[in-house]
Amino acid sequence: GAGVSQSPSNKVTEKGKDVELRCDPISGHTALYWYRQSLGQGLEFLIYFQGNSAPDKSGLPSDRFSAERTGGSVSTLTIQRTQQEDSAVYLCASSLFSGQGVYLGQPQHFGDGTRLSIL
Amino acid sequence: QKEVEQNSGPLSVPEGAIASLNCTYSDRGSQSFFWYRQYSGKSPELIMFIYSNGDKEDGRFTAQLNKASQYVSLLIRDSQPSDSATYLCAGVNSGYALNFGKGTSLLVTP
Repeated sequence: GAGVSQSPSNKVTEKGKDVELRCDPISGHTALYWYRQSLGQGLEFLIYFQGNSAPDKSGLPSDRFSAERTGGSVSTLTIQRTQQEDSAVYLCASSLFSGQGVYLGQPQHFGDGTRLSIL
Repeated sequence: QKEVEQNSGPLSVPEGAIASLNCTYSDRGSQSFFWYRQYSGKSPELIMFIYSNGDKEDGRFTAQLNKASQYVSLLIRDSQPSDSATYLCAGVNSGYALNFGKGTSLLVTP
């Protein structure tokens, strides 16, 4: 079946512009996650959705970052007034329901990412 | 800061040998562990996951978990040049966010 789909695959924009990154999860996966990977750095958790709700936004680096999910499916990550330090690969992952209190954690499957470059 | 630590490598092994990749973690609340493979310029690909102490085997891969020692490992038997990649270890505490190590670079030489 289809995997996690992200668009655009690459985005180059000027400092100060707003950008929107899109993620379409695997069908039937109710949990959706955003991570980012900066050059030479590990993957950094940004936000987690269960359905349309985001119980954990703790990883969002600043209030310039926001995300939403509609219909329990597609998610959009928005970065306002982009800065050069926002340059990174933004990765989306999805999984079956993780479940509050279910500590095991479901395997997460990643999309190909959006490579964001801020000039 | 709850850390997942990996030796950055590179770990170099000859083709056909066993590659042993190791990971330690500081968060005793971590319950589940995942190994991902990431080729240069590509996204992480899930290889193995392990929830319980002991070994879990899947083909050429074996994951090992020792919660008392806070240690996770991945063994790759009969290593192939196509196994050359960065291997990421990740732990989960509260059931969702993966806490990643920075990865170990593996090079399998023909």
